[in-house]
Amino acid sequence: DAGVIQSPRHEVTEMGQEVTLRCKPISGHNSLFWYRQTMMRGLELLIYFNNNVPIDDSGMPEDRFSAKMPNASFSTLKIQPSEPRDSAVYFCASIDGSTNEKLFFGSGTQLSVL
Amino acid sequence: DQQVKQNSPSLSVQEGRISILNCDYTNSMFDYFLWYKKYPAEGPTFLISISSIKDKNEDGRFTVFLNKSAKHLSLHIVPSQPGDSAVYFCAASYSGNQFYFGTGTSLTVIP
Repeated sequence: DAGVIQSPRHEVTEMGQEVTLRCKPISGHNSLFWYRQTMMRGLELLIYFNNNVPIDDSGMPEDRFSAKMPNASFSTLKIQPSEPRDSAVYFCASIDGSTNEKLFFGSGTQLSVL
Repeated sequence: DQQVKQNSPSLSVQEGRISILNCDYTNSMFDYFLWYKKYPAEGPTFLISISSIKDKNEDGRFTVFLNKSAKHLSLHIVPSQPGDSAVYFCAASYSGNQFYFGTGTSLTVIP
């Protein structure tokens, strides 16, 4: 299996622009998580989906952030408008809900908002 | 509020010696704990886990200890190798949902 696939690997944008991060979970995994890595908070859970349904989005910092999972093989995290403080590494992870043993992470998207 | 805490941002250890990474948690509902290892420009990868019904789990050079009364877990690496140099994240979950991570500890193993 190719693992969790995220795109793009790097994104540089200007303040005010819309940013869309993409994630393809491991086939057969029914839960998907979006995390943001910062020095202050480590790996911060933003939102997670179970069977394509958002279960908990309490970690989403503000209304500028939104996430969707239109089907079992694709999810997006959108920031509109983006701000410099959104600069971070964003990770997507998936898990096999039948075992719930461990998360598998993608390689992340390094976002820089200028 | 941070439910999983790693109070040591960094740790340096000589090759061959023991590395001990610590983690504290606040939520007594957590029933499953994991350690992840992260190299630069890569995603975190699973290292070892422990259920709350155990107090120790061993996998080769890696051992995780859980002290539920103190809400504390630790990762021991013996012997430490230069390839172990990475950021280590502690994580906790309950009912397999909402995995909470700490801020990470950067381990440097000096040859």
